[in-house]
Amino acid sequence: QQPVQSPQAVILREGEDAVINCSSSKALYSVHWYRQKHGEAPVFLMILLKGGEQKGHEKISASFNEKKQQSSLYLTASQLSYSGTYFCGTEQTGANNLFFGTGTRLTVIP
Amino acid sequence: EAQVTQNPRYLITVTGKKLTVTCSQNMNHEYMSWYRQDPGLGLRQIYYSMNVEVTDKGDVPEGYKVSRKEKRNFPLILESPSPNQTSLYFCASNPFPAGPTGELFFGEGSRLTVL
Repeated sequence: QQPVQSPQAVILREGEDAVINCSSSKALYSVHWYRQKHGEAPVFLMILLKGGEQKGHEKISASFNEKKQQSSLYLTASQLSYSGTYFCGTEQTGANNLFFGTGTRLTVIP
Repeated sequence: EAQVTQNPRYLITVTGKKLTVTCSQNMNHEYMSWYRQDPGLGLRQIYYSMNVEVTDKGDVPEGYKVSRKEKRNFPLILESPSPNQTSLYFCASNPFPAGPTGELFFGEGSRLTVL
């Protein structure tokens, strides 16, 4: 039930863009995105609900393809502060649970 | 300040010695959950609770127990810890009674080492 994330790791230079993908084999009600800095707790970025619109915050946005049970996180014009591990969490339709992917380690270098 | 508090933050123990990791939230959230984080495996759910006296198994419940006697507290109990339970543990809460449809608020984590 754990969603699959790709890529596992990515290295960017400041200003470059990145896309992180998350897919599930189950029908999804919502997809969550979190970022975790080393040694810290995960921090909520956004949630996408079934039937909802694409969400965004400044230069980080996401989409949710309900038919394919896939979500993508878009980071544009990356900054050093974007470095960390990104997790998607999926909530299946009819369930009361949130399953996290294995994470994507993003490193932004000057 | 709204927060989820876990204790202890760090613990080294020996195989078989019962231990409890406490979790308390001051936001009146119905939903609470425990996760363990291991390298390359992401966050895996151990147990969750929809409300007082309502708990259910997550993905990896073996070797763990929980209780929810009060809304604010959700302790994780390891009756007989083993080395494969060495991990980083996170408690999280959410205000939605129907499940985690909304932001999960995480505690700071508890790093447990079982020798």
